[in-house]
Order: sequence, then structure tokens, then C-alpha cells
Amino acid sequence: QSALTQPPSASGSPGQSVTISCTGTSSDVGGYNYVSWYQQHPGKAPKLLIYEVSKRPSGVPDRFSGSKSGNTASLAVSGLQAEDEADYYCSSYAGSNIVIFGGGTKLTVL
Amino acid sequence: QVQLQESGPGLVKPSETLSLTCTVSAYSISSGYYWGWIRQPPGKGLEWIGGIFHSGSTYYNPSLKSRVTISVDTSQNQFSLKLSSVTAADTAVYYCARGYCGSTSCPFEYWGQGTLVTVSS
Repeated sequence: QSALTQPPSASGSPGQSVTISCTGTSSDVGGYNYVSWYQQHPGKAPKLLIYEVSKRPSGVPDRFSGSKSGNTASLAVSGLQAEDEADYYCSSYAGSNIVIFGGGTKLTVL
Repeated sequence: QVQLQESGPGLVKPSETLSLTCTVSAYSISSGYYWGWIRQPPGKGLEWIGGIFHSGSTYYNPSLKSRVTISVDTSQNQFSLKLSSVTAADTAVYYCARGYCGSTSCPFEYWGQGTLVTVSS
């Protein structure tokens, strides 16, 4: 299983919206509704933002939303705030009790 | 609030075995959920190493399977990672984590702070 493909970087101004993509295959992203997204600030552990494509754990602002079309999942962040500047990772179940991560996207708030 | 804490040597020599323990507090591993290890080389992305259930059932990343062993000690409320024949490429921050639910398809909700392990002579 290869890592999921994410753009290395994304950016937006405060208040704007940005979308980060995560492309896999029919054996992972496209085959299961078990796509997750994590936010990681420098020197910190990842934080779960989205699970099962579009569900938010308690406490995650609704500015964060997830979706999927075919083999590509997306994370949308609306109303960008300075604290949203971080690395974002997607993850997908790939069958046979295997999990794969994306390479990560660095989000810059301009 | 569930808390996880990694512990173990921060420096391992090439060809030796890396050993880490994750101590869980405020939740009994015996009660369920899925427990995992994830690593992150400096400046790079996340890599799933493997996971375990309280029953002892284990699942590993195919690329690491030949070198990885994950075990659980419910009496100590801990689970452990052993990675053999390490090289510099195994230098990374190692995280332990708990799944959001009790299946290998579950994402990781609770994470330890991570521990840096450097492979060097």
C-alpha cells in the first residue's frame, strides 16, 4: 500500500475557505467510508478532526468538514483562523486491518 | 480523560532492537478499544506501525511486519512496541494512541505526546 497523495501546501487568508485533497485508490479511500483527517501543530501530537469521511468528534468546530468523491477525499476549512495554521494528514482504512496515511499538507494562514 | 505516555530509550544502536512502552491512565485496556503505534520521521509524515486489541490480536504495517512485535500487558495497563534490526531510517518520533472505537478501521482519538528515538552508533 502506498501513501495517500496530498498537496504539500495550501494557503488562505483569515476568514477565507480552503480545501485540502487526499487521493488514494479503490482499495482504500474509494473502497471504504473510513477516511479520517488529523491536525498537527509543530511539536505536538496529531489531533483527530474528522472520521468516517465527514463526522466530527465532540469539540471540533463545524468550520472543519469532510467529504469524498470516488478515490479522493477532501477536508474543507472555512472561516480560516490563525490557529488553523498547521499540518493536516488524511488517513484511510485499506482493508485487511491495514491503515495508511497521506503525506501531509502544510496549511499557511496568510 | 484518557492519557497515554510513551517511555523507552531515546538512543538505539544500528542493528539493535527498539523497545517502547505505552502506559495508559484513566482507562483500562482490558475494557476494549484498539491501541496503536504510529511514527513520524523528523520533518516527514505519519506512518502507521501497527495495532493491538486487549485480547492480544495484532495487526502490522506490511512494510514493517517482519521486524515489528506489539504486545499488551493488561495487568500493568500497558502495551509495547519492539522493532528489530533498526537502521537510521527508523529514527522518528514514536506515538502510541487509542482508537476511536474497537475496530482496526477506527481512527486514533487519543495520542501520547510522542517520544523521539534516534538510531545512531
